[in-house]
Amino acid sequence: DAKTTQPPSMDCAEGRAANLPCNHSTISGNEYVYWYRQIHSQGPQYIIHGLKNNETNEMASLIITEDRKSSTLILPHATLRDTAVYYCIVRANRDDKIIFGKGTRLHILP
Amino acid sequence: GAVVSQHPSRVICKSGTSVKIECRSLDFQATTMFWYRQFPKQSLMLMATSNEGSKATYEQGVEKDKFLINHASLTLSTLTVTSAHPEDSSFYICSARRPAKYEQYFGPGTRLTVT
Repeated sequence: DAKTTQPPSMDCAEGRAANLPCNHSTISGNEYVYWYRQIHSQGPQYIIHGLKNNETNEMASLIITEDRKSSTLILPHATLRDTAVYYCIVRANRDDKIIFGKGTRLHILP
Repeated sequence: GAVVSQHPSRVICKSGTSVKIECRSLDFQATTMFWYRQFPKQSLMLMATSNEGSKATYEQGVEKDKFLINHASLTLSTLTVTSAHPEDSSFYICSARRPAKYEQYFGPGTRLTVT
């Protein structure tokens, strides 16, 4: 079973920051928070991951709360191409498997 | 990033026939590959873990005799859907894990339609 809870859908205006929340209240100390996204009819794409510190890369930023029970993925300037289903996944690095939950369907509005 | 390919991207087959889907890691050797299935408007469901040179490990409820997985080399895993039926129509996605790394890289998917 997925260990995360995400809103089923969100809207964001083009050019604005998209903030996607994720709850993972049962996360263990050795588990990382990963984010993937899936554009329609494509395979999932890795976005970012983190353990407890905030992380930033060319695609997004990941903010993890101090208690690690929730996190937020931030797309700083959303474009229409960011329309996708975003999956928040909790996983220990030693785990091979990625178990997907239902994700958040993000609609970017022109 | 790493590239994983799948072939074919789309396939239509008749009920009762078998179809093979290939998954290749193009720029790294993958000791472990994974196969997922995705029905419309649903999330990805892990079917099996494929380890090079050994038998695949199937998730609960996945018929190993129906979904044959072969991982004969470090860059190729194949999924064969045997005696396909219309209910096997789905989007099949593979992923590959780079050794000593934790990210998994996903293929573009194969859409199977069984008529």
